[in-house]
Amino acid sequence: NAGVTQTPKFQVLKTGQSMTLQCAQDMNHNSMYWYRQDPGMGLRLIYYSASEGTTDKGEVPNGYNVSRLNKREFSLRLESAAPSQTSVYFCASRSTGGASGYTFGSGTRLTVV
Amino acid sequence: GQQLNQSPQSMFIQEGEDVSMNCTSSSIFNTWLWYKQEPGEGPVLLIALYKAGELTSNGRLTAQFGITRKDSFLNISASIPSDVGIYFCAGRPGQGGSEKLVFGKGTKLTVNP
Repeated sequence: NAGVTQTPKFQVLKTGQSMTLQCAQDMNHNSMYWYRQDPGMGLRLIYYSASEGTTDKGEVPNGYNVSRLNKREFSLRLESAAPSQTSVYFCASRSTGGASGYTFGSGTRLTVV
Repeated sequence: GQQLNQSPQSMFIQEGEDVSMNCTSSSIFNTWLWYKQEPGEGPVLLIALYKAGELTSNGRLTAQFGITRKDSFLNISASIPSDVGIYFCAGRPGQGGSEKLVFGKGTKLTVNP
């Protein structure tokens, strides 16, 4: 099925460990986004990529890096995980130029102990 | 940064009741979107609004783009148990041509059978 695919769905890390969250979309969308969702905080933008080869910081970028590997894939990396990064992470994509909303993946639930 | 104030934060209603929730902003938005998130899933787009005053329905859901371009509401008529979830408003700011969406913090809806 067309859409946004995130892996893994669940992950437990120890403080200081690193990991990469993967995201791929097959809708030929130009823009891709990484959000984190915490209780009572809604969705907060971490990083986004308006097009292949470009990335920009969002509202809460500290502690994260991203790579727009190609048009389909946009990964989020935690170099040294901290308990404050325990959250649910969502990837989303959008076709630039239209007034459409985002299509979201089903999320990665990350726990840092 | 721009913020959306979404209310109420949560609602507990009986099956069959109507529901109303809204979002307000201190600045103008060009697009208003309403999403629903079910447990363990990413947000799914319900309704998109593109013009001030626009009123759009999707089954039992009706949403309006406020005439001032600073607010939007979502109504759900004759609620059913499967309406349970978190409803998010989102908007695309009118200034600067930003392509990034701003999200409200969500309204958690519980429907008692």
